[in-house]
Amino acid sequence: NAGVTQTPKFQVLKTGQSMTLQCAQDMNHEYMSWYRQDPGMGLRLIHYSVGAGITDQGEVPNGYNVSRSTTEDFPLRLLSAAPSQTSVYFCASSSHPILASSSYEQYFGPGTRLTVT
Amino acid sequence: AQTVTQSQPEMSVQEAETVTLSCTYDTSESDYYLFWYKQPPSRQMILVIRQEAYKQQNATENRFSVNFQKAAKSFSLKISDSQLGDAAMYFCAYRKIQGAQKLVFGQGTRLTINP
Repeated sequence: NAGVTQTPKFQVLKTGQSMTLQCAQDMNHEYMSWYRQDPGMGLRLIHYSVGAGITDQGEVPNGYNVSRSTTEDFPLRLLSAAPSQTSVYFCASSSHPILASSSYEQYFGPGTRLTVT
Repeated sequence: AQTVTQSQPEMSVQEAETVTLSCTYDTSESDYYLFWYKQPPSRQMILVIRQEAYKQQNATENRFSVNFQKAAKSFSLKISDSQLGDAAMYFCAYRKIQGAQKLVFGQGTRLTINP
């Protein structure tokens, strides 16, 4: 049971390049989400998904796209990277609160440090 | 919208002593969850303790306990017998009971343990 995995761990992009941050979980969790962490600002929600085929925007969605074709995977796409997207990105997953009796803990991946020059 | 505020960017404590980290939040909901997460230099987010707002009893996990004041919307974390391994960033977080499990985080407090 690997939990939540993220690839890559580190990435450097040039302005305007595109890339996809990968996130996968093997716990059959319905809920998955992406956060970014910037100094002095804590973690902020980018996008989230409550199940395969269902996604929605969080607090800071601009410049990012997501899709959820399977329960296991939730990739985050940067279509045209900008220096303002330099950050550490975390993926998290959790059981659906209605179906799970007490599983309201969110499990976080190890993070991806992205630098855009 | 819900907000979470941690007013102490940095704290330090002597090893074996007790330290309290502060957190306040704003919400119009009556039921919700509150959490403290620890982030060591490895960057991994680790759940330290959680509190359900409908429970009056303060949560406790070994050396970690909270002081939950619902009316004041305050949720502080007390670490007793501080150890070197407690050095980390600590984040306070809020989540609604139902619906999408969106966490709202505070800005974080960097805790240093002095040997």
